[in-house]
Amino acid sequence: DSGVTQTPKHLITATGQRVTLRCSPRSGDLSVYWYQQSLDQGLQFLIQYYNGEERAKGNILERFSAQQFPDLHSELNLSSLELGDSALYFCASSLMEGGPSETQYFGPGTRLLVL
Amino acid sequence: AQSVTQLGSHVSVSEGALVLLRCNYSSSVPPYLFWYVQYPNQGLQLLLKYTSAATLVKGINGFEAEFKKSETSFHLTKPSAHMSDAAEYFCAVRDQGGSEKLVFGKGTKLTVNP
Repeated sequence: DSGVTQTPKHLITATGQRVTLRCSPRSGDLSVYWYQQSLDQGLQFLIQYYNGEERAKGNILERFSAQQFPDLHSELNLSSLELGDSALYFCASSLMEGGPSETQYFGPGTRLLVL
Repeated sequence: AQSVTQLGSHVSVSEGALVLLRCNYSSSVPPYLFWYVQYPNQGLQLLLKYTSAATLVKGINGFEAEFKKSETSFHLTKPSAHMSDAAEYFCAVRDQGGSEKLVFGKGTKLTVNP
């Protein structure tokens, strides 16, 4: 158990809908990262938050957004869903004071299926 | 920008045999490299990481990796495979261009045959 929790574990929805994925980082970690894992694209970085502020953006679609709340949990919002958005979405967290060798701890993921 | 390449999307070994999973990196600065393992229907778990303190890095579950700058490699090995090692393995490099994101390879699925 990494200490990172993600809900829900599974999500099935229809095209055009909007969903929210939730992540709680390890106790004490200030930084949250979102990654998407799909068969064709592999593991791709989406976005990073640090202590409530957006820190870096990766290959995140405009239909997707995220935020980190004062209690440091984070939500990833996916809207106008398309079939191609079906994937496993991971959240990871780190303290972000240990430098570039610091470990990112991953949650169990949310599996999204868009029908 | 940093990147990693994992040679071989599938590797199959017999139980008790040597495990060798290949990873080559591309980086203009000294890299920070990681190996993660993903068991079926689970998240990613850190196996080991290279932090420049030592070129031979020992990780969990008997795995180790050697950083070779001349070959830009960070291959993962285990002397004797166990059935429980069957999983997908990902090599990753830490981005040092402004974010702390991990850049992952495509992954290698390890099958262990009895």
